[in-house]
This record gives sequence, C-alpha cells and structure tokens, in this order.
Amino acid sequence: SQKIEQNSEALNIQEGKTATLTCNYTNYSPAYLQWYRQDPGRGPVFLLLIRENEKEKRKERLKVTFDTTLKQSLFHITASQPADSATYLCALAANNRLAFGKGNQVVVIP
Amino acid sequence: GAVVSQHPSRVICKSGTSVKIECRSLDFQATTMFWYRQFPKQSLMLMATSNEGSKATYEQGVEKDKFLINHASLTLSTLTVTSAHPEDSSFYICSGLLAGVTDTQYFGPGTRLTVL
Repeated sequence: SQKIEQNSEALNIQEGKTATLTCNYTNYSPAYLQWYRQDPGRGPVFLLLIRENEKEKRKERLKVTFDTTLKQSLFHITASQPADSATYLCALAANNRLAFGKGNQVVVIP
Repeated sequence: GAVVSQHPSRVICKSGTSVKIECRSLDFQATTMFWYRQFPKQSLMLMATSNEGSKATYEQGVEKDKFLINHASLTLSTLTVTSAHPEDSSFYICSGLLAGVTDTQYFGPGTRLTVL
C-alpha cells in the first residue's frame, strides 16, 4: 500500500540550531514533492517544491533534498527561530493530486 | 500572490441542518479546486476535486449527496454539508490550483465545523 511517513514525535530544538525533518514514502513515484507549513487551526502554507530530477532546493533559511532512490526527502530549517514553530507537512504529487503526510511538529525553544 | 479565502472560518450548527462553505481564489483563476478534511493530528484527506463548469470528482468513501460541491466560476467553489451530523464535525480546507509546469496548490485558511 502507499504510505507517506513523517515522524509523529515533535522535534524540540534550541533557537539558532538547524531543525531537520524526514519524509519517507513507499509505492509512490512522484514527479515532485512539496513541503508546507501549517499552524494550529489554519490551512497549510506552501513553502518549497522540489522536482524528481533536483537533488536540493533552497529558499532563505529552508533547504530541501529529494532522494528518489531512498524515497526520502529531508527538510532543513537553519538558524531556527521561535516563529518557525509549526507543523510541517510533506506532500507528493501523484495521480493529479497531492497526497499528504501527517506532518511533523517543530518547537523552537528560545 | 495566490491567495485563497474561505468563509465562514467557524460555524456551529444543529444536527440535521445544512452548512455551506465558500472558497474563493482572490488573485488568480482556479479552474481546479480541491476540498480536504482534516481531523486532529491527522493528515489532510482529499474529499473531492472540483473543476469549473463540471461535476466534482469524489474520492472513494465520500458521499457526493452529502457533500455537495459547486464550482460555478473560476474563482469560487462551494461545499455544502447536507443534513450535518456530529461525526461531520471537522476542519474543512479548500485549495486552488495554480496551473503550470509544476502545479502548486494554494490553501485557504480552513473552516472549523462543529455539529451539535
């Protein structure tokens, strides 16, 4: 069966450090993968998209990698700030729709 | 750019009543909009894909007669929960598709539905 797995445990990290989140998938062959941020009681906000032929993508303090052999994407927040505290969702493009992971909560401690 | 609004943001209704949720793309045209439902600490679950001017495509297990979708214009899609029951209480989120080489969905802020 198809699965998208993100760590269910919250990541607590000290301000200024780099937060790294993992998204693993099985039985998908996505043409691209996206990362979203979701705050409590709000809709997801698009952050980054990375295509299957791209290894790495950066946007300001965010970096995403995509390894189609390992079927894994890593999402990094460098120099983390308390305002980065949120849940981060990975989403795979498949069959003209997005399939989402459950999300991984990040808590940045001042 | 690529802003999507939803109205209302919160609604509380009695069991058996119908509730309409509006989803608008404010600064782009969305020929395709999606409706999701999200339960606490769960992933977004796609309910249906709405295409302007045609019938919506519902995901398996989603009752089309219960969740009526209308996409009458390129900037507006509506979801009507008919004869709502407490188990329909959830967070409903819509998104508009910004079509291009790699399609990106832009999400509304969500609507919290509570059925008493």
